[in-house]
Amino acid sequence: EVQLVESGGNLVQPGGSLRLSCAASGFSFSDYYMDWVRQAPGKGLEWVGRIRDKAHAYTTEYAASVKGRFTISRDDSKNSVFLQMNSLKTEDTAVFYCARDLGARAQSLWGQGTLVTVSS
Amino acid sequence: DIQMTQSPSSLSASVGDRVTITCRASQGIRNDLGWYQQKPGKAPKRLIYAASSLESGVPSRFSGSGSGTEFTLTINSLQPEDFATYYCLQHYNYPWTFGQGTKVEIK
Repeated sequence: EVQLVESGGNLVQPGGSLRLSCAASGFSFSDYYMDWVRQAPGKGLEWVGRIRDKAHAYTTEYAASVKGRFTISRDDSKNSVFLQMNSLKTEDTAVFYCARDLGARAQSLWGQGTLVTVSS
Repeated sequence: DIQMTQSPSSLSASVGDRVTITCRASQGIRNDLGWYQQKPGKAPKRLIYAASSLESGVPSRFSGSGSGTEFTLTINSLQPEDFATYYCLQHYNYPWTFGQGTKVEIK
């Protein structure tokens, strides 16, 4: 089955760190760029960042709101993409989704999301 | 950053109505725009890519148009399952940006 499954969401204190994972199956993961998108409770969608493929040196792009605090990485041998989140703030509370190359013409694919709550 | 101004923010419509949602970009983005549908508690689903191309499996009552700075999502003959929130996303320049969303409610 073609799918993305996120994990790692949790309750974390302000200033803390968390690592989200997204496991892909059913398609050639290494061929695709991967994106992260988040949605604060009751709010709209916010693009977080992306990682390119090996052919493009696994380079990354980030939203200004997370740049310097969040890091996206991937392990093609494990068909997984990761979001390392440091120096978390209360405003980072959101459902985080991974998605397969949002800019591509290929069939869109999103995970089910994982909830990150930043609170003391 | 490119700002995507989506309108209206919400609308009420009846089954069978034609609905139009607009996204305006603060600068030209060619046709690097997608339209997404999101239902409560679910991940977004792309309906349209490249401004006017229908995603595989999406009903033909959905259509997109536009290029440059003005884009439109049209739903012909609104169905009960279409009541949801719709977003546009520009992927022309980083950081990519979504519109603020349009909630389509039942009249």
